Amino acid sequence: AQSVSQHNHHVILSEAASLELGCNYSYGGTVNLFWYVQYPGQHLQLLLKYFSGDPLVKGIKGFEAEFIKSKFSFNLRKPSVQWSDTAEYFCALKEIYNQGGKLIFGQGTELSVKP
Amino acid sequence: EAGVTQFPSHSVIEKGQTVTLRCDPISGHDNLYWYRRVMGKEIKFLLHFVKESKQDESGMPNNRFLAERTGGTYSTLKVQPAELEDSGVYFCASSQDWINTGELFFGEGSRLTVL
Repeated sequence: AQSVSQHNHHVILSEAASLELGCNYSYGGTVNLFWYVQYPGQHLQLLLKYFSGDPLVKGIKGFEAEFIKSKFSFNLRKPSVQWSDTAEYFCALKEIYNQGGKLIFGQGTELSVKP
Repeated sequence: EAGVTQFPSHSVIEKGQTVTLRCDPISGHDNLYWYRRVMGKEIKFLLHFVKESKQDESGMPNNRFLAERTGGTYSTLKVQPAELEDSGVYFCASSQDWINTGELFFGEGSRLTVL
C-alpha cells in the first residue's frame, strides 16, 4: 500500500537557520506530491505542489521542494527560516490516476523556530 | 470569501454517546472530503462527496460512522456509538477545480474527545 514517511517529528531551529524537512513515499506508480502547512490555530493550507515538469517547485513564503524520483523523495527546504514559520508541516501524495482528490499524508513535522 | 467552516470546534463525549460533526464547504465547491487525525499520527482520508453522492468511502473505519451531504451543500459526520479510539481531529476539506489546481481547502477541524 502507498505511504508517506516524514522522518523528523519535531525540528527546532533558530531564526535565519536553513531548513530541510524530509519526505519519502512508497508507491510504484506516478504521483502528485504536496506540502501542506498548519500554523497554530489555523487551518491546513497548501504550501506547494508537484504535478509534472521541473522537479524543483517553489511555493509560498520562500519555500521550495525538490522531487527526486529515483529516491522517492520530496524534501521541503527554506534557506532562512523566520519565527513565523513555526507550524506543522505535512507531506502528501495523490496517485495520479485518482481523479477524486484523495490525499495520503505523512505523520507531520512540527517546526519550532526560536526568535 | 468564507472558507470551510466546521462545527463544533471541540466536542467531549462519553463512550457510547453520539456525536454529529458538521462541515460547510466553500460555496460552489462540489467536492467535499472528510479526513481524520488520531493522536498525532498521519491525517487519514475518510470519504469524498461529489455534490450529494459518495464518490469514495474507502476510508470509513466501520459502520458506526455515517456521513451525509443532503442537497449537496453542507455535510454531517455522525459517530454512533462513539468509542475511545474515535478520539481525534476530524478535518473537512472542499475543492472545485481539483484536477487543475490540486488544492484542497481545509477547515480548522473538529476535535473529538471520547472519555
